[in-house]
Amino acid sequence: DSGVTQTPKHLITATGQRVTLRCSPRSGDLSVYWYQQSLDQGLQFLIQYYNGEERAKGNILERFSAQQFPDLHSELNLSSLELGDSALYFCASSVGPAVTEAFFGQGTRLTVV
Amino acid sequence: ILNVEQSPQSLHVQEGDSTNFTCSFPSSNFYALHWYRWETAKSPEALFVMTLNGDEKKKGRISATLNTKEGYSYLYIKGSQPEDSATYLCASARDNNAGNMLTFGGGTRLMVKP
Repeated sequence: DSGVTQTPKHLITATGQRVTLRCSPRSGDLSVYWYQQSLDQGLQFLIQYYNGEERAKGNILERFSAQQFPDLHSELNLSSLELGDSALYFCASSVGPAVTEAFFGQGTRLTVV
Repeated sequence: ILNVEQSPQSLHVQEGDSTNFTCSFPSSNFYALHWYRWETAKSPEALFVMTLNGDEKKKGRISATLNTKEGYSYLYIKGSQPEDSATYLCASARDNNAGNMLTFGGGTRLMVKP
């Protein structure tokens, strides 16, 4: 158990809908990272938050947004969902702003139908 | 190299064989190189984080080396066991002013036959 909790584990929704994925980092970790793994693709970095502020941005679509709350949990919001958004979404956390060792949650499997 | 590349994509070995895989990464602005082990239906688990050129790290039967000047790292598994079957991911962290994100390779899927 990495100590990173993601909910829900599975999500099935229709195209055009909006969903929110939730992540609680390991106790003491201030950074949260979101990654997407689509079929036949490696883990793609989406965004990083450190202590409530956006720290780094990857290939995150404009339809997607994230935030980190004062209690350090993070949410990834995906809107106007398309079939191609179906993927495994991972959250990871680390102690500081620079990645020394990242601890991954078990992921949320999103299926858009 | 702009991306992180891993080879081979998959590997089948017999129990007891030793094996190794390669990770190539951008050598410019290098910050750290990570190796993760990812079993099916579980989350990726960190094996090593390496930062210095020439670094060698070992955990049990698994070891890794790092060459930051030429941009490659090797992961070695000695005497493979069926429980070593997993996807091994490497990820490069490049320092930048805005933060430090991991760029992952596509992984090497290892299958160890009893």
